[in-house]
Amino acid sequence: DIQMTQSPSSLSASVGDRVTITCRASETISSYLNWYQQKPGKAPKLLISAASSLQSGVPSRFSGSGSGTDFTLTISSLQPEDLATYYCQQSYTGLTFGGGTKVEIK
Amino acid sequence: QLLLQESGPGLVKPSETLSLTCAVSGDSISTNTYYWGWIRQPPGKGLEWIASIHYIGSTFYNPSLETRVTISVDTSKNQFSLKLSSVTAADTAVYYCARQRLSITGAIDWFDPWGQGTLVTVSS
Repeated sequence: DIQMTQSPSSLSASVGDRVTITCRASETISSYLNWYQQKPGKAPKLLISAASSLQSGVPSRFSGSGSGTDFTLTISSLQPEDLATYYCQQSYTGLTFGGGTKVEIK
Repeated sequence: QLLLQESGPGLVKPSETLSLTCAVSGDSISTNTYYWGWIRQPPGKGLEWIASIHYIGSTFYNPSLETRVTISVDTSKNQFSLKLSSVTAADTAVYYCARQRLSITGAIDWFDPWGQGTLVTVSS
């Protein structure tokens, strides 16, 4: 099985800060990497597919990059509504999610 | 607007079978380019994919759960279902259903949209 490791597991940042979340695959997954946002008490929402393709309606402050084994999700200017847990998910072989990164607002 | 709604018992006894249904509205489940999947999330923990099905009946299963899981589709009712047998407390989770894209390589890909989820507790 391909393991997905996210870091950090949690972070606290101020409004306006640039936030970067890392997702590492245990073996190469090309660009078969998706990112989700899960707000408290809600279902996850797809933010980015294929490592860097922003979904329709998602604010442009969100971006994704990477290929192979190392990927990043960046929030260029953190907003209060970005309070959530973010998950990466690989679809190269089977389907596995990372452990999540909880983003809190200072 | 595509909507998915999970339904089923909120409480299941240990060793019994958990049964859930996902009703799809706003579009037909009989589309070639999508699969339909189940994902679960234990309280306070991360996400785990369970299984996915195409309307023609093709399936994918998480190897760690495959021996206990059955996924099925009913195109006449525009819904799909999950059965998980021999449940234990470890199967307590919020269960989500979601539409899943079929990639050009024939692999299942991202989930979007998701249902609101339903909490299933395994307890005697």
